[in-house]
Amino acid sequence: GESVGLHLPTLSVQEGDNSIINCAYSNSASDYFIWYKQESGKGPQFIIDIRSNMDKRQGQRVTVLLNKTVKHLSLQIAATQPGDSAVYFCAEIPQGAQKLVFGQGTRLTINP
Amino acid sequence: DAEITQSPRHKITETGRQVTLACHQTWNHNNMFWYRQDLGHGLRLIHYSYGVHDTNKGEVSDGYSVSRSNTEDLPLTLESAASSQTSVYFCASSRGSSAQHFGDGTRLSIL
Repeated sequence: GESVGLHLPTLSVQEGDNSIINCAYSNSASDYFIWYKQESGKGPQFIIDIRSNMDKRQGQRVTVLLNKTVKHLSLQIAATQPGDSAVYFCAEIPQGAQKLVFGQGTRLTINP
Repeated sequence: DAEITQSPRHKITETGRQVTLACHQTWNHNNMFWYRQDLGHGLRLIHYSYGVHDTNKGEVSDGYSVSRSNTEDLPLTLESAASSQTSVYFCASSRGSSAQHFGDGTRLSIL
């Protein structure tokens, strides 16, 4: 069935380094992808999104890359800070749908 | 600023009791969703609504119900609480197929 998953459940990086969080999806008909950040005790927070007609989108310190050929999504965080420590979820919306399909999440830890 | 709020933030109740969790959004979004989040399962969809008087079952709807009488609110009711329903519950809203905005959750413990 449809699924959105993550390659790595945990990731530790040094403060100031760049981090990359990966996600695989299985529904080739999906046309909208979102990355969420969830801090302890809070709900998921929108970070950045990308539509299937794009392969890259940049925000403030974050970049999302979409490779439709291999159905792969990644989130790059530049110059990580302690406040970046959180669980990151990828999610997709299949074409014509309005519901999200979530991945399990990756916990990112920033070491001082 | 528009927001989505959940109440209560924490609740402890006993098995067999009826429990209602509130969700209120001021985004004027047509879509509203309820999820539960448990370790090892990520976010799982319980029920959702695409507009007033519209409700739909998600992947884990057994034991839960919702009603949508206005745009702003989608209360989630546990008809007879069970220990397996101990979880963190998140409400979300969206406009069409846009990204969902989430509340900060309700931590529910059923003893």
